Amino acid sequence: EDKVVQSPLSLVVHEGDTVTLNCSYEVTNFRSLLWYKQEKKAPTFLFMLTSSGIEKKSGRLSSILDKKELFSILNITATQTGDSAVYLCAVASPSNAGGTSYGKLTFGQGTILTVHP
Amino acid sequence: EAGVAQSPRYKIIEKRQSVAFWCNPISGHATLYWYQQILGQGPKLLIQFQNNGVVDDSQLPKDRFSAERLKGVDSTLKIQPAKLEDSAVYLCASSGPGEKLFFGSGTQLSVL
Repeated sequence: EDKVVQSPLSLVVHEGDTVTLNCSYEVTNFRSLLWYKQEKKAPTFLFMLTSSGIEKKSGRLSSILDKKELFSILNITATQTGDSAVYLCAVASPSNAGGTSYGKLTFGQGTILTVHP
Repeated sequence: EAGVAQSPRYKIIEKRQSVAFWCNPISGHATLYWYQQILGQGPKLLIQFQNNGVVDDSQLPKDRFSAERLKGVDSTLKIQPAKLEDSAVYLCASSGPGEKLFFGSGTQLSVL
């Protein structure tokens, strides 16, 4: 069974701090790792990583994947109150149906980030 | 581009009642997913459709949950009868080619 574990489960920081969120996984037939931000209910896409060692960046957020050690980190620098959310890590692997393979996502439990002014 | 539409946004029912959720995916997306997210946990896949065929329903409690996507577009998820432990947010997502999923705003279900 595919497994995704995130740490820490929750984190409280002040504006301007830098945070690192961790995601480790055990999955059969890894395809990619995705990070989502969840405010209220709908998760919104942040990054998709498929290759080790290549950092993805978007503004103050960055992420990197290590396929040998089976983990990923998400960094947020100069945090703002608007960064407060649940950050979800998910791993894509095949769903098999009659020999045809489609992708599915297995999610971790999420990290709750709270940024105080 | 219109996103994934879900309704209703909230639903409160008593245990043993039935409930149905509706989802309209992004136009052209062949793959549709229903996820259940219990408070404090990550989303758990209930069922995955490719067009109108089921790809994965291994974690769907089939004695009480059912889902359909008859014309390969809209989908409905039904619970009958509901239990207290079904209280959760039910998220619908869709995707085109590749693994990037687009989520709807979800339906928050409370079973009393």
